[in-house]
Amino acid sequence: GAVVSQHPSWVICKSGTSVKIECRSLDFQATTMFWYRQFPKQSLMLMATSNEGSKATYEQGVEKDKFLINHASLTLSTLTVTSAHPEDSSFYICSATARRAAGWTDEQYFGPGTRLTVT
Amino acid sequence: QKEVEQDPGPLSVPEGAIVSLNCTYSNSAFQYFMWYRQYSRKGPELLMYTYSSGNKEDGRFTAQVDKSSKYISLFIRDSQPSDSATYLCAMSDRGSTLGRLYFGRGTQLTVWP
Repeated sequence: GAVVSQHPSWVICKSGTSVKIECRSLDFQATTMFWYRQFPKQSLMLMATSNEGSKATYEQGVEKDKFLINHASLTLSTLTVTSAHPEDSSFYICSATARRAAGWTDEQYFGPGTRLTVT
Repeated sequence: QKEVEQDPGPLSVPEGAIVSLNCTYSNSAFQYFMWYRQYSRKGPELLMYTYSSGNKEDGRFTAQVDKSSKYISLFIRDSQPSDSATYLCAMSDRGSTLGRLYFGRGTQLTVWP
């Protein structure tokens, strides 16, 4: 249980184009999803927190118009990198927290990540 | 100063060795402390979590938290080649793992046979 998937696992796009990354909780309903970015040999940096049906909360320094987050259902959140540039190349990871219910632990479950390369 | 500091290594040890991984932090509001393991090109998976100060043991893994020193450790006994991964410490100031997590940079560990 507690599986989070991401699609695609890797993507290469040209500078100026937009890329959408999906994050799905496969066997539970996620009350909250988090989006992180990880540069090589660096820590995971939280970009934004999204709750189903409401606007995402962005961390300081993260451009909300560039990184569009949609959390349309309790099992799906999407991150769209608009007008991507080479400096946006990174490893993007989502995590999800489960609705408190019998059998679910109190933790964030991480997806496998999406590697974005902008050329 | 970053909120969570972690030596990135790399750390290379022979199979069977005891591994010690550490993090320091500056925010005294952190209450929940976690260790994640991350294999290359994969998302992190939770290894252990502790609340406030103290020790917690799970098989070959022991987590220690010293809030007075703002210092946490993860010990791996009888290390195996399968333990080779990057280990990330993470902390939360909301008293749970559901809130915002602050991560260290991760320590890359290699256990050679």
